[in-house]
Amino acid sequence: QSVLTQAPSASGTPGQRVTISCSGSNSNIGSDYVYWYQQRPGTAPKVLIHTNNQRPSGVPDRFSGSKSGTSASLAISGLRSEDEAVYYCAAWDDSLSGYIFGGGTKLTVL
Amino acid sequence: QVQLHQSGPGLLKPSQTLSLTCVISGDSVSSNGAAWNWIRQSPSRGLEWLGRTYYRSNRSKWYNDYALSVKGRITINPDTSKNQFSLQLNSVSPDDTAVYYCAREIVLVVGGTYRYFDFWGQGTLVTVSS
Repeated sequence: QSVLTQAPSASGTPGQRVTISCSGSNSNIGSDYVYWYQQRPGTAPKVLIHTNNQRPSGVPDRFSGSKSGTSASLAISGLRSEDEAVYYCAAWDDSLSGYIFGGGTKLTVL
Repeated sequence: QVQLHQSGPGLLKPSQTLSLTCVISGDSVSSNGAAWNWIRQSPSRGLEWLGRTYYRSNRSKWYNDYALSVKGRITINPDTSKNQFSLQLNSVSPDDTAVYYCAREIVLVVGGTYRYFDFWGQGTLVTVSS
């Protein structure tokens, strides 16, 4: 069971806006930054959001991140078929002295 | 462009030692702007960070951080002569069966300090079975 909690699945239709949530605690999200990674089958995860809401160069602005207290969200607007993937949140945990990941949310584009 | 290439055996018996190597191109294992990580992924444990090694020239020192879940069994070593880093995990069990990834954690100091895993190796499936 992951320290960061995510819903196992989400779905949306092309063009729609979907939100994926991540719930943590004071020792991780509440005290450090949140990261979001996208993983397509057979490939390594790819960073979408770092430092709560920053997009690395090359990541479309359809992806946005936010954080409030001990929870965080990833929003995807203008949903496209290629967005179908598993999305993971991550954070540093002060109690565990290491990075932790959420269990992942599988996004299906209907 | 940074590339990470992993190598190592894919099949181990219980109690053996897992050894993987990650060769770096396009950056240096001694870079002040990076840390070098190992992360694994399995259906039962999901994505699990194992540890990292990094060098900071202001202290002329190498640092290591390890996940509590594997502390005591894990060693991550840099090899500056070959520009690579390695993972050793002792006394493996079937629970260590996973895809293992090496990853660069970039550290950017621009206003604040930003860090994230930006480049990953291709992944190595390691199976532990008798």
